[in-house]
Amino acid sequence: IAGITQAPTSQILAAGRRMTLRCTQDMRHNAMYWYRQDLGLGLRLIHYSNTAGTTGKGEVPDGYSVSRANTDDFPLTLASAVPSQTSVYFCASSEREGNGYTFGSGTRLTVV
Amino acid sequence: GQNIDQPTEMTATEGAIVQINCTYQTSGFNGLFWYQQHAGEAPTFLSYNVLDGLEEKGRFSSFLSRSKGYSYLLLKELQMKDSASYLCAPLDSNYQLIWGAGTKLIIKP
Repeated sequence: IAGITQAPTSQILAAGRRMTLRCTQDMRHNAMYWYRQDLGLGLRLIHYSNTAGTTGKGEVPDGYSVSRANTDDFPLTLASAVPSQTSVYFCASSEREGNGYTFGSGTRLTVV
Repeated sequence: GQNIDQPTEMTATEGAIVQINCTYQTSGFNGLFWYQQHAGEAPTFLSYNVLDGLEEKGRFSSFLSRSKGYSYLLLKELQMKDSASYLCAPLDSNYQLIWGAGTKLIIKP
């Protein structure tokens, strides 16, 4: 692994199903973030974690949950997917708050 | 509230120079980032300004005026591969990046 790895790359999901998007980084960055990006809109922060063991809500947290059991992993879970959660999801990390972000390659999720 | 304003789309010619402007209003300020994002790909870091003035890095330069809440990204000697979206992102008082919708730059031969 070099940088940030997201999985899956893309997914088609039936509405009502549960889904976990995976994010793993090997840079020992303290801070990690989940964003969604929709056409014509900027990146919107879903949840973040400034360090292992802590998480916080971003701009659009409803319908999503995260955990940060260790430094490397930051999974995002959709408990019961809805079509409005169709989007491209990016995971990012930074060495600490205020540093530039490194992004994963994204997960394209379609909820039908 | 927090707000970022960038042009939605710009067109320029290969070999020319283009300036992409960004105005921002944030709760506190701890610097400003510019990112490049090619279609279907993740954003990648271009520049960071925390003090007023111009930062030059090869063909790309970025300028910041904190008192005016204004930044620009200057791209010189444009190449076709520069066709992408350019995202302005100031860092607020909580050290969270606030993202604009980005400027789609189209380069024509």
